[in-house]
Amino acid sequence: EVQLVESGGGLVQPGRSLRLSCAASGFTFDDYAMHWVRQAPGKGLEWVSGISWNSGSIGYADSVKGRFTISRDNAKNSLYLQMNSLRAEDTALYYCAKDGGYQPLLGDAFDIWGQGTMVTVSS
Amino acid sequence: QSALTQPASVSGSPGQSITISCTGTSSDVGGYNYVSWYQQHPGKAPKLMIYDVSNRPSGVSNRFSGSKSGNTASLTISGLQAEDEADYYCSSYTSSSTAVFGGGTQLTVL
Repeated sequence: EVQLVESGGGLVQPGRSLRLSCAASGFTFDDYAMHWVRQAPGKGLEWVSGISWNSGSIGYADSVKGRFTISRDNAKNSLYLQMNSLRAEDTALYYCAKDGGYQPLLGDAFDIWGQGTMVTVSS
Repeated sequence: QSALTQPASVSGSPGQSITISCTGTSSDVGGYNYVSWYQQHPGKAPKLMIYDVSNRPSGVSNRFSGSKSGNTASLTISGLQAEDEADYYCSSYTSSSTAVFGGGTQLTVL
């Protein structure tokens, strides 16, 4: 069964850091790009960041550029998101999503999603 | 990276057809045939319904179809069913090599 399981969320104070993890199973992890997508409470989806299969191509939304860092460990079938200088507006459910692989580029489509991990930034 | 524009809500009766629009710019929707659509039920993760404008992943009902004209993409659901009631989001690849989502559309089946 294809599965993505996020972890690492929690309550954190503004300005602090948090690292999210996503464990993948059921597919050949290093064949696909991976992404983080977030959803603030009661709001829509926002693409946060994506990374190609070999980490050679990485992209970020303007809202997180310079503060968040995406990475992956293909040996461990894992995706990460290092979040620094957190702000209240980063409060959201963070989803890990597998790239559909339909096109050789980041962000074409996301065909498998985890259940998300909640990040709350508050003092 | 401005969000794509979708209507906040649409509604239809069982058996009818509805269309949800998704408007962007020449830097995203209009510039590439890489528009996808997602269905999200309350408390659940999104589900891919359409990719590359008009392609359906395996297992998605053929009642769902997609199209694009200029800077506007559309999702059409025919033979509306109660289970189709959900939020729908479009997404597009962008000229910045990133992705951008629409604001979402709440579909109500009357």
